[in-house]
Amino acid sequence: DAKTTQPNSMESNEEEPVHLPCNHSTISGTDYIHWYRQLPSQGPEYVIHGLTSNVNNRMASLAIAEDRKSSTLILHRATLRDAAVYYCIPRTVRGATNKLIFGTGTLLAVQP
Amino acid sequence: DTGVSQDPRHKITKRGQNVTFRCDPISEHNRLYWYRQTLGQGPEFLTYFQNEAQLEKSRLLSDRFSAERPKGSFSTLEIQRTEQGDSAMYLCASSPDRVNTEAFFGQGTRLTVV
Repeated sequence: DAKTTQPNSMESNEEEPVHLPCNHSTISGTDYIHWYRQLPSQGPEYVIHGLTSNVNNRMASLAIAEDRKSSTLILHRATLRDAAVYYCIPRTVRGATNKLIFGTGTLLAVQP
Repeated sequence: DTGVSQDPRHKITKRGQNVTFRCDPISEHNRLYWYRQTLGQGPEFLTYFQNEAQLEKSRLLSDRFSAERPKGSFSTLEIQRTEQGDSAMYLCASSPDRVNTEAFFGQGTRLTVV
């Protein structure tokens, strides 16, 4: 399983963009990069995922480096509700389980 | 409500007692996962069901832990002879039977062993 490195914590101001980095230098060529977040006292929730191309959805954008050894989750305008732990997860398609393996993530604090 | 439901939300038990948690996945989701999360850590994978078949168990799942998913619908996780180290949040997730699809998590059951 690929290892990930994320900052333990980051801070942002409300309504400003946030760039959350993740290093996954041992990622396999077939592993997708998933991002989940966990709000206080909640289970994790899906944010976005991608393989090689940059991806956008209503929650965020995902920028993937050309060599796929790193990626950045972009929240375009942070709100107080975005304060959470963000997990970057290389997800293997090999085997039947397709399970998510979480690291310790990045705790994002959003200041008003 | 069409989300993943877990019951109970909180459980306090004395050391040595048995406890059982229930997870109701989203209807028609074939895949079901159990995770455990301790304070300051990310969720750790415990076990995986494809319909009623338990296809993978983590080394974290000691002999005191057992999980079932009869008829491929709801699932139960039982811990026998609980220890203080079992105190954690137990999370259940489900997803359709497609690779890389979104996993939906419940709000978890917080277990405290005293």
